[in-house]
Amino acid sequence: AQSVTQLGSHVSVSEGALVLLRCNYSSSVPPYLFWYVQYPNQGLQLLLKYTSAATLVKGINGFEAEFKKSETSFHLTKPSAHMSDAAEYFCAVSARFGGSQGNLIFGKGTKLSVKP
Amino acid sequence: NAGVTQTPKFRVLKTGQSMTLLCAQDMNHEYMYWYRQDPGMGLRLIHYSVGEGTTAKGEVPDGYNVSRLKKQNFLLGLESAAPSQTSVYFCASSWADSNQPQHFGDGTRLSIL
Repeated sequence: AQSVTQLGSHVSVSEGALVLLRCNYSSSVPPYLFWYVQYPNQGLQLLLKYTSAATLVKGINGFEAEFKKSETSFHLTKPSAHMSDAAEYFCAVSARFGGSQGNLIFGKGTKLSVKP
Repeated sequence: NAGVTQTPKFRVLKTGQSMTLLCAQDMNHEYMYWYRQDPGMGLRLIHYSVGEGTTAKGEVPDGYNVSRLKKQNFLLGLESAAPSQTSVYFCASSWADSNQPQHFGDGTRLSIL
């Protein structure tokens, strides 16, 4: 069975500092991987996705993530945090094959706070 | 550019009452999903549909029913609401491929007293 673990339910950084949000997955075959962002009282928006092309994936708002098969990780980074990045971030995995194809398994989320 | 629209946005129910949440998408997506979001739990899949007239159970289906009579609509029903169903409910839709992202509505905040 697939699963996703996000390390750290809350992360706080200073404006201008590096953002690193951690995501590890469990899957018998390399899955498709996604990062979503949720701003207060809104739905989830796609930041980026990995579908087995380049292992370094660039997304919107300056975010990127690197797929590392050996570490079963898909960590999200941004070189310099902005106040507007304060939100909750979700990592999700999708099965390539099988009856649950297309369904997303979500991590429990990481709330990012940005201090001025 | 409506995308995925959920109605209502807020609702308060009493225990035992019934209600239906409506999700509509205008992107001609095949797949549609209903999730619930609870603090510290992430999003959990309730039911999903891979096409008009089809539905399937997700991770937490008990106490909910769904219908997809039209491709663009996916309804979530609570027959007898319970306080444990107090949550934020999200609908999503996607193309029929597991490498395609899901598009989310803005959610329905439901409180059961």
